[in-house]
Amino acid sequence: GQSLEQPSEVTAVEGAIVQINCTYQTSGFYGLSWYQQHDGGAPTFLSYNALDGLEETGRFSSFLSRSDSYGYLLLQELQMKDSASYFCAVPNQGGKLIFGQGTELSVKP
Amino acid sequence: DAGVTQSPTHLIKTRGQHVTLRCSPISGHKSVSWYQQVLGQGPQFIFQYYEKEERGRGNFPDRFSARQFPNYSSELNVNALLLGDSALYLCASSQAAQETQYFGPGTRLLVL
Repeated sequence: GQSLEQPSEVTAVEGAIVQINCTYQTSGFYGLSWYQQHDGGAPTFLSYNALDGLEETGRFSSFLSRSDSYGYLLLQELQMKDSASYFCAVPNQGGKLIFGQGTELSVKP
Repeated sequence: DAGVTQSPTHLIKTRGQHVTLRCSPISGHKSVSWYQQVLGQGPQFIFQYYEKEERGRGNFPDRFSARQFPNYSSELNVNALLLGDSALYLCASSQAAQETQYFGPGTRLLVL
């Protein structure tokens, strides 16, 4: 089977840095994706890591360690608009995405 | 460029009715996937279609069915609605079955 674990909630202040962790168990591994979802909205693709290391896209970075079955999303210079749910997801061989339960990020002034 | 579009945006049905949800993928994308998201949880995979053929099915009852048309748009049908079918139904498209998936705004279904 496949499962992903991530914290349910994280709180941080504007301008800070926050890290959202994700551990996974999969029968085969094809990469780790991150999505952002604001209340009632569509999940928005943020990043994809197929290989170990850090991928940087603006204020957001994503890291993967395949040997540890672990990844994280790093958000820098937090803004109020970053308050949202963040999901890690892994695709199976056919492309079906398996999602974690989501981490609700609250950014405080 | 237009993203993934879905219709309707909201829908209210009663138990036992059926519903059809529609999705148009990003231009050039040939794969469409459907997900169900209940409040407080991550999306759950229902179906994936690629080039009009079903490529995957999640753990949902036979009341759920889908199809993909020659223009790559897709419909999700749910029969004999139950209260537990109330959820946000998301459609995602990708260039191919294993490529990055981009989500539409979803259809929020309420079953009374």
